[in-house]
Amino acid sequence: DAGVTQSPTHLIKTRGQQVTLRCSPISGHKSVSWYQQVLGQGPQFIFQYYEKEERGRGNFPDRFSARQFPNYSSELNVNALLLGDSALYLCASSSGQRAFYEQYFGPGTRLTVT
Amino acid sequence: GQQLNQSPQSMFIQEGEDVSMNCTSSSIFNTWLWYKQDPGEGPVLLIALYKAGELTSNGRLTAQFGITRKDSFLNISASIPSDVGIYFCAGPSPQGGSEKLVFGKGTKLTVNP
Repeated sequence: DAGVTQSPTHLIKTRGQQVTLRCSPISGHKSVSWYQQVLGQGPQFIFQYYEKEERGRGNFPDRFSARQFPNYSSELNVNALLLGDSALYLCASSSGQRAFYEQYFGPGTRLTVT
Repeated sequence: GQQLNQSPQSMFIQEGEDVSMNCTSSSIFNTWLWYKQDPGEGPVLLIALYKAGELTSNGRLTAQFGITRKDSFLNISASIPSDVGIYFCAGPSPQGGSEKLVFGKGTKLTVNP
């Protein structure tokens, strides 16, 4: 079975621009979470969606938004990009219930803001 | 925000040696997860622990859920070069939103052949 897939792999944007990152969960998984990972740190939680509804939001500004589609894929949008938004953006999926905690990560999208 | 403290920050060992690392928190966790991340890749789930005192193995890896519920340990036996990477502990945030995972800063493992 295919794992979590993310696109694009790499992205270079300019300050002030907007970016959309995409994620497809493992088949059968209904929950998708987004994390930001900066160099030297562990992933930091941004959002979780389950059955197309937002279930959790981390301490990120309103410039960050996300949504989940009927096929459980998800998009993360970041507006008005800042240099500090440069990071690896990770998507993780889980099947739900107790296994909410067992999140399986994709390879990430490396975003560079110049 | 909630911090998970991992130690050591980095380890340099010889192939064949055993490795021990740990993760501590000031808050009680009901679940502990251990992940490994290779450069340029996403973290890979190694072991999930759900009960205080639980000891779970995955091949040469063994993890334990501390009885205080504020710590967890990961051991790797007979290390090999492909064990190189960053090991993260994680758990559901104690501050509600149980699906939100908080991560430590990682232990970077280097294995010399």
